[in-house]
Amino acid sequence: GAVVSQHPSRVICKSGTSVKIECRSLDFQATTMFWYRQFPKQSLMLMATSNEGSKATYEQGVEKDKFLINHASLTLSTLTVTSAHPEDSSFYICSARDDRKAQYFGPGTRLTVL
Amino acid sequence: AQSVTQLGSHVSVSEGALVLLRCNYSSSVPPYLFWYVQYPNQGLQLLLKYTSAATLVKGINGFEAEFKKSETSFHLTKPSAHMSDAAEYFCAVSDQGGSEKLVFGKGTKLTVNP
Repeated sequence: GAVVSQHPSRVICKSGTSVKIECRSLDFQATTMFWYRQFPKQSLMLMATSNEGSKATYEQGVEKDKFLINHASLTLSTLTVTSAHPEDSSFYICSARDDRKAQYFGPGTRLTVL
Repeated sequence: AQSVTQLGSHVSVSEGALVLLRCNYSSSVPPYLFWYVQYPNQGLQLLLKYTSAATLVKGINGFEAEFKKSETSFHLTKPSAHMSDAAEYFCAVSDQGGSEKLVFGKGTKLTVNP
């Protein structure tokens, strides 16, 4: 089956630093990837839609300058949390859509900002 | 706009008992509906999906769900719970127009008692 990986699985950083999270589709090409954020014991909230070769589309209320998304190839999208603060601590999950429009989710990245 | 309501943030059943997780949706367009399962600190795994074909959808691990348009419901059931079914379950809706944006419910945590 389709596999999506995320790296790193866990990251701890100091306040003010930037953190990059990678999302890869391992055995299929994904022109579209999605980035979600999940707070403890809450549901997933869509942050942005990442399209290969074009600018990401951000959901209302998501700061595009803080959460930089790059989808440089058909198998890789990256989310960079810039100038991270403790309130950015969360579980970030990506999904990748295949050519049959099915979405496959990555295992998530736990970000802790000290 | 689309939305999903999952009745009951926590459901507890005995091993071998029927599992029923409720999901009601709101959508102004014909919906696609999904059930996902999430184990602790992991991403989401698709259990099943409704995409306007058969109203009774069978998924993995013995789960099934029935789309009832008149009730705007898509409840998830399993005849006999296993200990391994203990997890968080999310119902999600997207439109059939192709945006593939998933709107998730708040989730239901299923506990299976021995």
